[in-house]
Amino acid sequence: KNEVEQSPQNLTAQEGEFITINCSYSVGISALHWLQQHPGGGIVSLFMLSSGKKKHGRLIATINIQEKHSSLHITASHPRDSAVYICAVRWEAAGNKLTFGGGTRVLVKP
Amino acid sequence: KAGVTQTPRYLIKTRGQQVTLSCSPISGHRSVSWYQQTPGQGLQFLFEYFSETQRNKGNFPGRFSGRQFSNSRSEMNVSTLELGDSALYLCASSLAREWTFGSGTRLTVV
Repeated sequence: KNEVEQSPQNLTAQEGEFITINCSYSVGISALHWLQQHPGGGIVSLFMLSSGKKKHGRLIATINIQEKHSSLHITASHPRDSAVYICAVRWEAAGNKLTFGGGTRVLVKP
Repeated sequence: KAGVTQTPRYLIKTRGQQVTLSCSPISGHRSVSWYQQTPGQGLQFLFEYFSETQRNKGNFPGRFSGRQFSNSRSEMNVSTLELGDSALYLCASSLAREWTFGSGTRLTVV
């Protein structure tokens, strides 16, 4: 069964702390997405990775294809980073069908 | 540029009724995919359309259907609504490595 596991499920941090969210998947993928969902529901696509590392502002996403693992890091966290972060994968030969992790609820306290 | 537009934003329907949701993709994006998000099951893939053809389908009953028009706008339809169909329905449009999600339609079945 093609699965995507995220950890932790919940995370509370103090403003300024470094945050890491992990995502593991079971078989080969063509790409992995990191998504952010704020209360109210709208989803923002943060990164799409197929190898290596990407950085945007205070956000860094890495992927290790051999280990089938990706991490999302938030440096110098801020209360506005409070949201649910979701990883989603596109399996090889599955086109644009996404399978999602369960999400990580992040709360950054001032 | 305009984002992905989903209408309506909120909807309340009665069991047994049917509902049609609309998604207007970003101009130039030919792939539109639909997702259901519930507290119990998280985000799940419904289907994907590309150039008016269904390219992928998730594990949902036949009551869930969709279509895509020549201008890439897509609709999804749910017939004979059940209480369990209450969810946030999201669509995403994509072109190569560019993915954009809509704000979703929150459907409540009473």
